[in-house]
Amino acid sequence: EIVLTQSPGTLSLSPGERATLSCRASQSVSSSYLAWYQQTPGQAPRLLIYGTSSRASGIPDRFSGSGSGTDFTLTISRLEPEDFAVYYCQHYGNSPYSFGQGTKLEIK
Amino acid sequence: EVQLVESGGGLVQPGGSLRLSCAASGFTFSSYSMNWVRQAPGKGLEWVSHISSSSKTIYYADSVKGRFTISRDNAKNSLYLQINSLRAEDTAVYYCARAPSGTYSRFDPWGQGTLVTVSS
Repeated sequence: EIVLTQSPGTLSLSPGERATLSCRASQSVSSSYLAWYQQTPGQAPRLLIYGTSSRASGIPDRFSGSGSGTDFTLTISRLEPEDFAVYYCQHYGNSPYSFGQGTKLEIK
Repeated sequence: EVQLVESGGGLVQPGGSLRLSCAASGFTFSSYSMNWVRQAPGKGLEWVSHISSSSKTIYYADSVKGRFTISRDNAKNSLYLQINSLRAEDTAVYYCARAPSGTYSRFDPWGQGTLVTVSS
């Protein structure tokens, strides 16, 4: 089973700043099967990025993903007020489809 | 518009059973794999189960294997999760999610979830 560890647990930034979220896998994974989701309070998760770097439909280009092997990154270039949420990475290349524990992005 | 609507959650005693449903609309349900994911109160996401479009491929998380059963009725555009022998740790919001690219696929979109509370 692949374990995903996200860091930091909480990230405090201001609107307009750049956010960098990390996801580390317990073993090397194919970049084709790494996704990022955003969840705001009381809402279902929403797909942001899949295949490490492909943006889902309707996702603004301030969101980007990168990485390979065991280290993956979600970058939000300039934070908007609506971006403050919890972010999860996910590996879906084999069962079980594991999620990271999440990074909470909060307003500083 | 692609839509997934879960139902069937509620308060159940430990050891009890529930059947969750997910009604799909806005896409050809029979062509897509589906998943269940749960989220305990204040916690992160936990994948629960996967079923392929034809029901030939089914996976479960170890934490629910033997107690949960995933199924689908393509004629009714519906996904189900039968949950038995419920425990307090099964208390969570249960989401269904579509897998656009088969068995090894991102999850998109997700339903709004249905809350299962296990308590005496």
